Amino acid sequence: GAGVSQSPRYKVAKRGQDVALRCDPISGHVSLFWYQQALGQGPEFLTYFQNEAQLDKSGLPSDRFFAERPEGSVSTLKIQRTQQEDSAVYLCASSLTGLAGGHEQYFGPGTRLTVT
Amino acid sequence: RKEVEQDPGPFNVPEGATVAFNCTYSNSASQSFFWYRQDCRKEPKLLMSVYSSGNEDGRFTAQLNRASQYISLLIRDSKLSDSATYLCVVFYNQGGKLIFGQGTELSVKP
Repeated sequence: GAGVSQSPRYKVAKRGQDVALRCDPISGHVSLFWYQQALGQGPEFLTYFQNEAQLDKSGLPSDRFFAERPEGSVSTLKIQRTQQEDSAVYLCASSLTGLAGGHEQYFGPGTRLTVT
Repeated sequence: RKEVEQDPGPFNVPEGATVAFNCTYSNSASQSFFWYRQDCRKEPKLLMSVYSSGNEDGRFTAQLNRASQYISLLIRDSKLSDSATYLCVVFYNQGGKLIFGQGTELSVKP
């Protein structure tokens, strides 16, 4: 079956523009995660959904970042009024169960966002 | 201080060498531990879980010391295809998020 897919793969935005990044998790996976990976760093947690419920958004860096998963499958990460420091790879991951501990998270290829 | 810290890289080793990566974590409530591998411009992929008793998968051996909050990965008989960034990862049951170290880059040369 298909893995986690993300679109677009690359996005260039001018400073101040809004962007929307899409994630299609593996079918049937309950948990969905967003991570931000800056160049030369490991991924950093942004937010977590269990089905449609956003259970943890402690990693979102500011109120310009918003994520949703309205029907418990596809998720969108929206960044308003993009800033240069938002330039990074945004990774989406999904996991089969509601308790992700000990269960593998499968990552998508990421969206590389460049803010100019 | 970062929650998960790894050896700085890059590690440049010849084929056939044995290489060891170390990692420390700061939160004693950490529950599960993993090593992920990330190839250049690709997504992270699970390499192996790490258990207190230590575990081995072919040329790869992972160790965990909960008392010292220390994790290691040993790669024996390095292959060119082992060249990648190795990410030390801990999991907390609060929300299911993974906490990644910054990664250690390995380059295996012929």
